[in-house]
Amino acid sequence: GAVVSQHPSRVICKSGTSVKIECRSLDFQATTMFWYRQFPKQSLMLMATSNEGSKATYEQGVEKDKFLINHASLTLSTLTVTSAHPEDSSFYICSGTLEETQYFGPGTRLLVL
Amino acid sequence: QKEVEQNSGPLSVPEGAIASLNCTYSDRGSQSFFWYRQYSGKSPELIMFIYSNGDKEDGRFTAQLNKASQYVSLLIRDSQPSDSATYLCAVNDNAGNMLTFGGGTRLMVKP
Repeated sequence: GAVVSQHPSRVICKSGTSVKIECRSLDFQATTMFWYRQFPKQSLMLMATSNEGSKATYEQGVEKDKFLINHASLTLSTLTVTSAHPEDSSFYICSGTLEETQYFGPGTRLLVL
Repeated sequence: QKEVEQNSGPLSVPEGAIASLNCTYSDRGSQSFFWYRQYSGKSPELIMFIYSNGDKEDGRFTAQLNKASQYVSLLIRDSQPSDSATYLCAVNDNAGNMLTFGGGTRLMVKP
């Protein structure tokens, strides 16, 4: 149980385009989902907390207008990287919470050319 | 500022040995503690969690918690090369399910 999926697993895009990443809890309902970013050889960095039916809470330094988060249902949260630039290239990982435990999706590797 | 500290390693152990991974945390109000394993290029996967002082065993893994010392550890018995990964300690204060992660300890198990 407690499986989280992400789509796509890998995306390459041109600078200036927008990219949407989906995060789904497959066998449980996740009231809260989290979005993380991880650069090579660095720790996980929390970007935002996503609660179903309400606005996301962003961590300090994360631009809410650039990283749009929508949590429309208890099983789906989306992260849209708007006007992506090469410095946004990273590994984006979501997690869903079940009984106070976070379960991570497999991650989405974004490369912006 | 809540902090979770881990030795970055690498911690190198021979195959079959016990690997001991340590973690300290700053927030005395922390309630639940998690160990995740992250292989290179992959996302973290949950190994186990612990809420109460003492030991909790699951197969080859044992988590140990000492809230008075603000210390949590993970022991891996009979270490295998496939255990080579980065181990992340995470702490939850139960106020919104947010986790504070340590920087991770890289474990290398040599055949």
